[in-house]
Amino acid sequence: LAKTTQPISMDSYEGQEVNITCSHNNIATNDYITWYQQFPSQGPRFIIQGYKTKVTNEVASLFIPADRKSSTLSLPRVSLSDTAVYYCLVGSTSGTYKYIFGTGTRLKVLA
Amino acid sequence: DTAVSQTPKYLVTQMGNDKSIKCEQNLGHDTMYWYKQDSKKFLKIMFSYNNKELIINETVPNRFSPKSPDKAHLNLHINSLELGDSAVYFCASSQVGAGVIDTQYFGPGTRLTVL
Repeated sequence: LAKTTQPISMDSYEGQEVNITCSHNNIATNDYITWYQQFPSQGPRFIIQGYKTKVTNEVASLFIPADRKSSTLSLPRVSLSDTAVYYCLVGSTSGTYKYIFGTGTRLKVLA
Repeated sequence: DTAVSQTPKYLVTQMGNDKSIKCEQNLGHDTMYWYKQDSKKFLKIMFSYNNKELIINETVPNRFSPKSPDKAHLNLHINSLELGDSAVYFCASSQVGAGVIDTQYFGPGTRLTVL
């Protein structure tokens, strides 16, 4: 069974760029990578999604190397409100449906 | 308008009881999910239904039984509750097609405490 691991926690200061990495060594060809953000007492919320190379949207960038065994979520210029737990998800809807969440990274943004 | 809603938000009950958690989505999605988040914040999928058909059934005790009366609803019934069932249960929905990348929308969660 694929294992998806992340650093347990990270601290950063306001205005800095934060990079959170997820390791998914057993990723399969049909799997894609999604990142979610979760605030206390709320459900996870979609941030960004990709399959390979680089994806950017209005809130984040996602970097996926050629071997796809890891991925990095990049949050530019974080603010206090970005303090949350960030999860990567390795999933597939081709053939066998599969959704495996990473262990989660607790990001604390300091003033 | 709440996209994915769950009831109740909190559920406190005694060991051995049977309880249900309800989930409804108004996004028109055809796939719904149940996840369990334990005290260490690990999120693990339990079940998924696509158009009322069970497509994911992870290794979950058979005391847990999902029921999907229609595409917009997925309920979770738990028999003979045990202390280890205490967790936050999240419902989610998405629009899934073969090979299509889907975004899941999560409900607010139901915190179940078994005493």
